[in-house]
Amino acid sequence: EIVLTQSPGTLSLSPGERGTLSCRASQSVPSNYLAWYQHKPGQAPRLLIFGASSRATGIPDRFSGSGSGTTFTLTISRLEPEDFVVYYCQQYGTSPNTFGQGTKLEIK
Amino acid sequence: QVQLQESGPGLVKPSETLSLTCTVSGASIISSYWTWIRQPPGKGLEWIGYMYYSGSTHYNPALKSRLTMSADTSKNQVSLRLTSVTAADTAVYYCARRDDFYDSWGQGTLVIVSS
Repeated sequence: EIVLTQSPGTLSLSPGERGTLSCRASQSVPSNYLAWYQHKPGQAPRLLIFGASSRATGIPDRFSGSGSGTTFTLTISRLEPEDFVVYYCQQYGTSPNTFGQGTKLEIK
Repeated sequence: QVQLQESGPGLVKPSETLSLTCTVSGASIISSYWTWIRQPPGKGLEWIGYMYYSGSTHYNPALKSRLTMSADTSKNQVSLRLTSVTAADTAVYYCARRDDFYDSWGQGTLVIVSS
């Protein structure tokens, strides 16, 4: 199975700054089938990005995804207070679908 | 807007069967695949498997021998059944829509396996 490694584990930034989260795959993700989710405690995870760079419905344009092959990035251009939660990447190019261990975005 | 709500016992004894239901509103379960995902305390997300209302399923090989997924179209629900549970099955269990990326999730339900 494809192992996804997210870095950093915790990212400390201030509102208004730019956040860059990384997701590396143990092998190339077919067709760049890579998704990103935002997860607030006690809530349902929220799809942000699919296909590595396509924003899901209703997602603000400050969220963007990029990358291909084994290296993918989620960028949040201007951090809002509500963005300081946990983010997961997930690949669906090869079964079984797998997730990264998550990056926690915290207020500096 | 699609909404998913997981339900079931919060406590299951070792060796017994874990049974969960996901009630879907805002969409018919015949319109998509439905996936179960879990997250053990302090650990990452684990894909359990997915199903289509017709009975087509695809399970995580690590759980396949203990796992059954089913659907009740009259109630617009999908269900998960995991037999012979151990403490390792303690987790928050989520249901989600689609079989590739997941565009709608439930809030999850915590299941603790303990005597």
